Order: sequence, then structure tokens, then C-alpha cells
Amino acid sequence: RKEVEQDPGPFNVPEGATVAFNCTYSNSASQSFFWYRQDCRKEPKLLMSVYSSGNEDGRFTAQLNRASQYISLLIRDSKLSDSATYLCVVKNNQAGTALIFGKGTTLSVSS
Amino acid sequence: GAVVSQHPSWVICKSGTSVKIECRSLDFQATTMFWYRQFPKQSLMLMATSNEGSKATYEQGVEKDKFLINHASLTLSTLTVTSAHPEDSSFYICSASLQAPYGYTFGSGTRLTVV
Repeated sequence: RKEVEQDPGPFNVPEGATVAFNCTYSNSASQSFFWYRQDCRKEPKLLMSVYSSGNEDGRFTAQLNRASQYISLLIRDSKLSDSATYLCVVKNNQAGTALIFGKGTTLSVSS
Repeated sequence: GAVVSQHPSWVICKSGTSVKIECRSLDFQATTMFWYRQFPKQSLMLMATSNEGSKATYEQGVEKDKFLINHASLTLSTLTVTSAHPEDSSFYICSASLQAPYGYTFGSGTRLTVV
């Protein structure tokens, strides 16, 4: 079983739509959680960290359920510029450990 | 701040040759550098973790004699793909960890094509 699994995608939505991505992780030692965005095979860029209490950044809302080892990302009012691959990322809290990436879910927003 | 400069951004090489990829931390000291590889439509897979002044730690299934990592200084880590073959064609990217709360910073990646 892969350490981080995401929705298969791709998601094709019209502008203005609300879209949700799900992710599960298998390592219960994981302590830090993130959503990254990757464009056209460029380097991934941090979209937001994910906290147990849930957190929001503009149109983006992230949720974490530690008991279910489940992470989600909700994008409201999708824009064309949101088209990208969204990567679910986890890490344990040992110093010097790497980020572990999911395969990513591709979002395509059309006008 | 906290920029990692990765070069080259793309390279095409003949099968059997070696390719060196460099990652330089421009305004901070990178004690630890992570090297990832990403095949099309796949996730970034961790290849190895390198610590300045010591041998790299390779992930299971990654050949340490094929993917040579050198981290001789706090600002430079290199990955050399030796005797490259077409199946080594991939997107290689480095990442440095930063002191909390700044997280991680990534190089811009190197697209390697072996023909």
C-alpha cells in the first residue's frame, strides 16, 4: 500500500465550481500535513499546511482527520488559474526527514 | 529568501554517459538535501537524503553506485547519474529543509532525457 493515496482524477470542472480532493495516509507516525500545487512538471509549491482544527486560506479549505488518517482540500469558486496538479504531502516530525508525496490529482478548470 | 538554484533545467544525453545535476542554496546553509525523481503522471519519489559531510542515505531500490550524491559543502549538493540509460529519463528535483517554521524549499527541477 502506498504511503499517501489520492483521488485518481483528473477533475474537469467549469469556472466557479466547487471541487474537493481527498487523500489518505498509511503511516500513523505522520505528524505534518500539507497540500502542494505542481504546474506543468515544475517544482511543487506549498499551497497550505493542514491542521487538525481545519484551516482556510481564501477559497481553499483543508481538513485533517487523524483518526481516519484522511486529509481533504476544498476549492471554492474555481478559477482557470487553479488548473494544476494538487499533491497531498505528509511528514513525520523527526528532524531531517523528507516530505512524502502522493501521486497528485489533476484539476482542469475550463471557461 | 531560501532559494535553491538547480542546474541544468533540462539535459539530453546519450545512453552510457554520465550527467551531473547541481543544487545550490543561495542564501542559507542546507545541512540536509533531499533528492526526488518524478516519472510522468507519478508522484515525487524520494531517492536519497544527503547530509553535508557524510554519505547519503538511499531509499530502497535506488542504486547508490548509479546515482552518486555528493554534499561536500553547506551550499552545494550534486547528483550524478552514471551510465545513464533511457529508463533513467525523468524529472529530478532537489529539496532542502529549512528551520521551522519555514518548511522546505525546492529546486526548479532537471528534466533528463537519455537517448
